[in-house]
Amino acid sequence: DGGITQSPKYLFRKEGQNVTLSCEQNLNHDAMYWYRQDPGQGLRLIYYSQIVNDFQKGDIAEGYSVSREKKESFPLTVTSAQKNPTAFYLCASSIGGGRTYNEQFFGPGTRLTVL
Amino acid sequence: RKEVEQDPGPFNVPEGATVAFNCTYSNSASQSFFWYRQDCRKEPKLLMSVYSSGNEDGRFTAQLNRASQYISLLIRDSKLSDSATYLCVVREYGNKLVFGAGTILRVKS
Repeated sequence: DGGITQSPKYLFRKEGQNVTLSCEQNLNHDAMYWYRQDPGQGLRLIYYSQIVNDFQKGDIAEGYSVSREKKESFPLTVTSAQKNPTAFYLCASSIGGGRTYNEQFFGPGTRLTVL
Repeated sequence: RKEVEQDPGPFNVPEGATVAFNCTYSNSASQSFFWYRQDCRKEPKLLMSVYSSGNEDGRFTAQLNRASQYISLLIRDSKLSDSATYLCVVREYGNKLVFGAGTILRVKS
């Protein structure tokens, strides 16, 4: 079964702790993305990667970090510098991430709550 | 001004009703347009792309007016299973998507 998995589904952390959210895909997609969704707001792009070992900041990258060491994996670390980390985090992937559009497929999301 | 604006609703309609959602976008250079559906506490899924000539997929009809920077989605013969949040999404360049906050639809029996 091809798809995108995110784990865990729910995550609770204390304020000031770093936390890493997992995203794995077996669709053989080159491009991967991280979004954040808050109530009453649209999804906002945090980071994206068009190819292994390369990634770019999105619109709200401050307080987050990523790595792309393998094609299948794009973990997101929420650092203590992120002022308001409680949100629904969505990972997505697409065949390519270049100039032409390729549909983005989303994982089931991780709901992070910082206490 | 938000880049993509939608009426948040909720729209409460009876089964069988016709309902329309509207969306406006601010970037006139936007290249592609989509409607996504998001069920409660789930990930968004592509419902349909929106083409300049208008397009239909079963009970769903999407329209685009580039001059007015306006997108619409019409749902005919609403079903209980249509209850969800509908996201208006605009592609600005490459694979950069800009999402509206969504319109909530509740279909009641």
